[in-house]
Amino acid sequence: DGGITQSPKYLFRKEGQNVTLSCEQNLNHDAMYWYRQDPGQGLRLIYYSQIVNDFQKGDIAEGYSVSREKKESFPLTVTSAQKNPTAFYLCASSIGPGGQETQYFGPGTRLLVL
Amino acid sequence: AQSVTQPDIHITVSEGASLELRCNYSYGATPYLFWYVQSPGQGLQLLLKYFSGDTLVQGIKGFEAEFKRSQSSFNLRKPSVHWSDAAEYFCAVGQAAGNKLTFGGGTRVLVKP
Repeated sequence: DGGITQSPKYLFRKEGQNVTLSCEQNLNHDAMYWYRQDPGQGLRLIYYSQIVNDFQKGDIAEGYSVSREKKESFPLTVTSAQKNPTAFYLCASSIGPGGQETQYFGPGTRLLVL
Repeated sequence: AQSVTQPDIHITVSEGASLELRCNYSYGATPYLFWYVQSPGQGLQLLLKYFSGDTLVQGIKGFEAEFKRSQSSFNLRKPSVHWSDAAEYFCAVGQAAGNKLTFGGGTRVLVKP
């Protein structure tokens, strides 16, 4: 089955640690996205990538980093610089870039800071 | 900059009753409009989308939405709600020249038996 997988489902982080969230898609999509979801605030874009080896900052990129070395993979690292990382993180992909493209979402990773 | 407003944070509806969720957007040109649904702890699933043409759009699970340019609205409706429709609903807008979607804050729907 084609789709987007995110792992782990739950992730715990200690203060000062970096953690990496995995996102893999087998839809052969060029574009991939990372969103952060907090209660009552909808989805906010962290980073997006239109093509392999290229990515751009979204609206709330501070304290996060990404890489796009393979078409199917777009991992997100939450660094110690992110002061309030507890949130639900969603990865998405679309056939191509552009606001007209439908984005398909993974099941999400919930990050909790201990 | 484009923006999306969903005025209702929570809506409670009885099973079998009709449902309407409001969405207002701010964007200069004709937008691309989407409605997504999210079950608790899950990702988002596309319900329907509007690009052009007929302003009444049919989606999955019996949902429909109507684009009204004069009101900058894209409201979602369902004639008869089922208990499984309890979820959070997000309206989103995209633009051809841009590379991202802008999401509204979401409306949580509770269904009473």
